[in-house]
Amino acid sequence: DADVTQTPRNRITKTGKRIMLECSQTKGHDRMYWYRQDPGLGLRLIYYSFDVKDINKGEISDGYSVSRQAQAKFSLSLESAIPNQTALYFCATSDPGQNTGELFFGEGSRLTVL
Amino acid sequence: EDKVVQSPLSLVVHEGDTVTLNCSYEVTNFRSLLWYKQEKKAPTFLFMLTSSGIEKKSGRLSSILDKKELSSILNITATQTGDSAIYLCAVDPFYNTDKLIFGTGTRLQVFP
Repeated sequence: DADVTQTPRNRITKTGKRIMLECSQTKGHDRMYWYRQDPGLGLRLIYYSFDVKDINKGEISDGYSVSRQAQAKFSLSLESAIPNQTALYFCATSDPGQNTGELFFGEGSRLTVL
Repeated sequence: EDKVVQSPLSLVVHEGDTVTLNCSYEVTNFRSLLWYKQEKKAPTFLFMLTSSGIEKKSGRLSSILDKKELSSILNITATQTGDSAIYLCAVDPFYNTDKLIFGTGTRLQVFP
């Protein structure tokens, strides 16, 4: 089983719909992140959380919200999806104790907004 | 504005060729530079570099950092079709926050 699990893996929705992408991890890491990946733009940080009570905006947080329900769970919501939110979304975790900066990624959630 | 630039954007080679992928960065502060390989799914970690001139090696892959030139290279020798992937470079510009800044990636295609 994957250490970082994302659901759903694929989703097609319509403009204006509310969408939630969920992430759970068994690595025991405090730090969790949501990135989106677009062709030609690389990975961009949406939100990150360093513990259950800590939520921070990344470089492209507009149109998104998050919830850190527990150490192991970090959800990303699109309150009213729009077509330019079509992308591949990755959840990731890290362990500051490793002092490497390495991120551990989930398998990705491909979202298409029509 | 902090940024990471990778080149080339795309590369097509034949099995057995040697390739060099480039990554340059402009960041306010620097802690480390990381390389990831992304096949069809999640990026997987290859190397972390913090010191100039010290080569990191794993099999046919190697990487080195040049802090004076604000750049890094990733070399792959004797390429195989299994090396086909997007190679991502990322910089950790802050102390102990793991907020990586990613480049756009280099897409490598290796044909038999």
